[in-house]
Amino acid sequence: DIQMTQSPSSLSASVGDRVTITCRASQSISRHLNWYQQRPGKAPKVLIYGASSLQSGVPSRFSGSGSGTAFTLTISDLQPEDFATYYCQQSDSPPATFGQGTRIEI
Amino acid sequence: QVLLVQSGTEVKKPGASVKVSCKASGYTLIDYYMYWVRQAPGQGLEWMGWINLKSGGTAYAQKFLGRVTMTRDTSISTVYMDLSGLRSDDTAVYYCAREYRYNWNTNDYYYMDVWGEGTTVIVSS
Repeated sequence: DIQMTQSPSSLSASVGDRVTITCRASQSISRHLNWYQQRPGKAPKVLIYGASSLQSGVPSRFSGSGSGTAFTLTISDLQPEDFATYYCQQSDSPPATFGQGTRIEI
Repeated sequence: QVLLVQSGTEVKKPGASVKVSCKASGYTLIDYYMYWVRQAPGQGLEWMGWINLKSGGTAYAQKFLGRVTMTRDTSISTVYMDLSGLRSDDTAVYYCAREYRYNWNTNDYYYMDVWGEGTTVIVSS
């Protein structure tokens, strides 16, 4: 199975900050990388697919980059509703594995 | 509006089975695959498998082989996930999620674009 490793596991930030989360794959996954946001008690929601494509309806302050084994999710101008947990997920080969999550706290 | 509505909370004893349902609306069921993903309390997301809603074909994560069965009833646009031999560490929220598939630059890409609200399964004696 492809292992996905996110860093950091958690971070503290303030409204207006720029935040970057890193995700690394144990082998090359080209651009088969998706990012999800999960608020407490809610289902995950896709933000970015194909490493850098913004899902319809997602604010443009979210952006993704990378290919191969290294990827980043950047949130510019952090808003109160962005305090949540973020997961990367590879869709290159089954099983579809997730990173362990990054919790953004105030 | 595309919606996935899941069945309610289940409380089961160890060794029992649970069947979770996921009713789709707002789109043509058989045009997509459906994934099942679970999340233990305070933990991350774990992919369990998928079902091809046109053919009924399935693929399961190695961890769940022999214990999980995914089926569908296209007449009522409902997908089911049956997990047997329940243990306490199966206590989790179980989500269904629609797979969105597209082709870009000769490659197929997939992601989970619509999720159900989750079904809590508690396994306790």
